[in-house]
Amino acid sequence: DGGITQSPKYLFRKEGQNVTLSCEQNLNHDAMYWYRQDPGQGLRLIYYSQIVNDFQKGDIAEGYSVSREKKESFPLTVTSAQKNPTAFYLCASRPGRRNTEAFFGQGTRLTVV
Amino acid sequence: ILNVEQSPQSLHVQEGDSTNFTCSFPSSNFYALHWYRWETAKSPEALFVMTLNGDEKKKGRISATLNTKEGYSYLYIKGSQPEDSATYLCAFIQGAQKLVFGQGTRLTINP
Repeated sequence: DGGITQSPKYLFRKEGQNVTLSCEQNLNHDAMYWYRQDPGQGLRLIYYSQIVNDFQKGDIAEGYSVSREKKESFPLTVTSAQKNPTAFYLCASRPGRRNTEAFFGQGTRLTVV
Repeated sequence: ILNVEQSPQSLHVQEGDSTNFTCSFPSSNFYALHWYRWETAKSPEALFVMTLNGDEKKKGRISATLNTKEGYSYLYIKGSQPEDSATYLCAFIQGAQKLVFGQGTRLTINP
């Protein structure tokens, strides 16, 4: 079955530790995205990638890093520099053509204690 | 930062009533406008992808219109049903692949 897989679903980390969230897609999509959702807020764009080995900062990139070494994978690292890392993180992908929608993973809820 | 604004933020509608909400976005360098439905405990799912000024799309009781020159889109739900309860998100693509979401409209249908 084609889709987007995020793992893990729940993640707990101690303050000051870096943590990497996984996002894998087997849809052969060119573009991939990372969003963050906080209670009562919408989806805010962290990073996005249009093609392999290329990515751009979104609106809230500070404290995060990404890589796109393979078309199907777009991992997000939440670094210790991110001041409020506790949030719900959603990964998405889309083919990249103008009239195509995005498909989403199930999300990872990160709690930093 | 691209500003995509949705209104209202939340809405309570009686079952059977029709309703609509708004998405406003920058009118310059338009590429595409998306509508998604996000139900609790699920992932967002696309309703419509709109690319041309004047586009009107329909899926069952849900329809959407697009005005790229003035920078707004409307989503309409006719004869609301309890299963329509969800958060409705619009998302804007300007230029390349940057997909930016509004804050969403949370719709609750009262039986």
